[in-house]
Amino acid sequence: EAGVTQSPTHLIKTRGQQATLRCSPISGHTSVYWYQQALGLGLQFLLWYDEGEERNRGNFPPRFSGRQFPNYSSELNVNALELEDSALYLCASSLYGGTTSGELFFGEGSRLTVL
Amino acid sequence: AQSVAQPEDQVNVAEGNPLTVKCTYSVSGNPYLFWYVQYPNRGLQFLLKYITGDNLVKGSYGFEAEFNKSQTSFHLKKPSALVSDSALYFCAVDDNTGKLIFGQGTTLQVKP
Repeated sequence: EAGVTQSPTHLIKTRGQQATLRCSPISGHTSVYWYQQALGLGLQFLLWYDEGEERNRGNFPPRFSGRQFPNYSSELNVNALELEDSALYLCASSLYGGTTSGELFFGEGSRLTVL
Repeated sequence: AQSVAQPEDQVNVAEGNPLTVKCTYSVSGNPYLFWYVQYPNRGLQFLLKYITGDNLVKGSYGFEAEFNKSQTSFHLKKPSALVSDSALYFCAVDDNTGKLIFGQGTTLQVKP
C-alpha cells in the first residue's frame, strides 16, 4: 500500500513568488494535515482538511492557503513568499477525521527554500 | 491550551544502555498522547500512542512509554539502545480540536 506522497521533493523560489505543494493521502484516508517544520521551531500546525472542507487552521497569515480535492488529495499554496517561509512542509493523513482515534501518517515532506 | 514540553534538546546514551526521552504535557480532559520519530531528511514515523488503559504502552522497534497522570508525563523508554535509534523524537498531544500539537523534539544520539 502506498504511503503519503508529496511533491515536489525540493522547491526553490525567490521572495514574492508563489509556491504550490501537493499531497496524496493513503488510499481510504479522508483527512489531510499540513505542518511546517522550520529550523529550530519544531512542527507547527498549518491546516487540516477533511472530506473537502477546511476544519482547522493554525496561526499562520492568510497567504498560506490550501484546498482538498474530491479524491482527498490536497494542495498547499504559499503566496508572497518570505525568507522565513523556508522550511520542510510535511503532509499527513489519517483514516478518521481528527486525531483522537488514530495516528497520523506522514509523507517525506517538501523542502521549500526561499532566496 | 494543550501543550507538550520536551525538556531536553539532546540525549546521549551508549549502545546497549537503557534510554529515556522525557515529555510532559498540559491538557484539559483526558490526554491522548503520541510519540513519533524522524530520521534525517524523512517524514515522521508513528511509534506509539496512549489513549486509555494500561499506563505502560508498547510500540514499534522495542520502544515503550509510561503514562504518569500525577506527574503529567509520558516518557519514552527502551531497555537497550541501538545506534540505529539515533534520530529526532517528538512527543505530541491531541488538542481536542482534531489536530496534534508537537513538542520541540529531542535528538537522541546513541554511541557505539
